[in-house]
Amino acid sequence: AQSVAQPEDQVNVAEGNPLTVKCTYSVSGNPYLFWYVQYPNRGLQFLLKYITGDNLVKGSYGFEAEFNKSQTSFHLKKPSALVSDSALYFCAVKRGNTGKLIFGQGTTLQVKP
Amino acid sequence: GAVVSQHPSWVICKSGTSVKIECRSLDFQATTMFWYRQFPKQSLMLMATSNEGSKATYEQGVEKDKFLINHASLTLSTLTVTSAHPEDSSFYICSAPTAGATYNEQFFGPGTRLTVL
Repeated sequence: AQSVAQPEDQVNVAEGNPLTVKCTYSVSGNPYLFWYVQYPNRGLQFLLKYITGDNLVKGSYGFEAEFNKSQTSFHLKKPSALVSDSALYFCAVKRGNTGKLIFGQGTTLQVKP
Repeated sequence: GAVVSQHPSWVICKSGTSVKIECRSLDFQATTMFWYRQFPKQSLMLMATSNEGSKATYEQGVEKDKFLINHASLTLSTLTVTSAHPEDSSFYICSAPTAGATYNEQFFGPGTRLTVL
């Protein structure tokens, strides 16, 4: 069965420091991986995706993610965090050939000034 | 990017009443839409897949008679929570994938907060 895990419930980082939000996956076949961000009482906003190709994927708002097949990871990164990046982040994998997404548990990112 | 809207953004209803939530794709057509529910500080749980022109398919454990889904057109799907009870209170979110057989990307609505008294 396909699954996604986000091992950290919360990540705290100081503004201006680099941030990493971790995600590991378990899929059969090639993974289609996504990162979404959710602000309070809002829907999800797409950040970036990995389908194939370059292992380093660049996305919205300065975020990027590195696909690592050997470690089955897809960690979200940003070189310099902003207070406005504080939100709930979800990693997701596409389920088979359907359009369905399987979401990780979510990680709350707290960026302090 | 593509825009998905939901209406209403929040609703409060009495126990036993039914509530309808609309999900619209504003600038693209969506033959498929997905409905999720989310409890506070938890992940999204897929409830069902809404299919234009055919019946919705429900995930295991989701009561299809309680959560009625109708995909009336290529831009509109509705979720009706019938005979709502307090345990149905939740944040309901819809999404629609962009065109293409692989559904590489989904766009999410802003969500609907349902509170059942």
